[in-house]
Amino acid sequence: NAGVMQNPRHLVRRRGQEARLRCSPMKGHSHVYWYRQLPEEGLKFMVYLQKENIIDESGMPKERFSAEFPKEGPSILRIQQVVRGDSAAYFCASSLTRSSYEQYFGPGTRLTVT
Amino acid sequence: DAKTTQPTSMDCAEGRAANLPCNHSTISGNEYVYWYRQIHSQGPQYIIHGLKNNETNEMASLIITEDRKSSTLILPHATLRDTAVYYCIVRVAENYGGSQGNLIFGKGTKLSVKP
Repeated sequence: NAGVMQNPRHLVRRRGQEARLRCSPMKGHSHVYWYRQLPEEGLKFMVYLQKENIIDESGMPKERFSAEFPKEGPSILRIQQVVRGDSAAYFCASSLTRSSYEQYFGPGTRLTVT
Repeated sequence: DAKTTQPTSMDCAEGRAANLPCNHSTISGNEYVYWYRQIHSQGPQYIIHGLKNNETNEMASLIITEDRKSSTLILPHATLRDTAVYYCIVRVAENYGGSQGNLIFGKGTKLSVKP
């Protein structure tokens, strides 16, 4: 009964490279959320997806960031041309339905941009 | 969603009850109170939620005032493993007309349980 899985757990990229973060939701969950946590700050919502659809991307930076949740496979958060300010912990959460009281979080991916 | 106010930090002795307060004076009638916690370097973990009545589960109790403007999370016998940042969140459930799926985290309360 695996929980939310994220990989890689740690990712180092040089400025200008691309970062791809993967999230496999809990079995049976079709709702995925991405959050970002900058050092010493709280979690900030980025995007909410349901299989093959972006429901709410109000927290996504306008440029360089994109997310997808294909019919098959994990959800992907993609950051193009990374900058030092992208260094953060990125958490993925999943829920059974949109109105589920509980969101289950993964262990996070720690992105370091050098 | 309504805004919440929590103390920045609290200490608690191991084995004692930890009482974490949260003010949500602008809460609407269709908004639930949720509590999550984040142990260092881990993803947040759901603890409990409530609407009007007090709630209890295996992790904690949630006491909501009658006017719903504040609540208290109670960890009855705190252990060192309860050291974490605790987040109080208010959110409209979809079945009450809410359209927002995501959670809005504030700065939370950093609880330090000491031996």
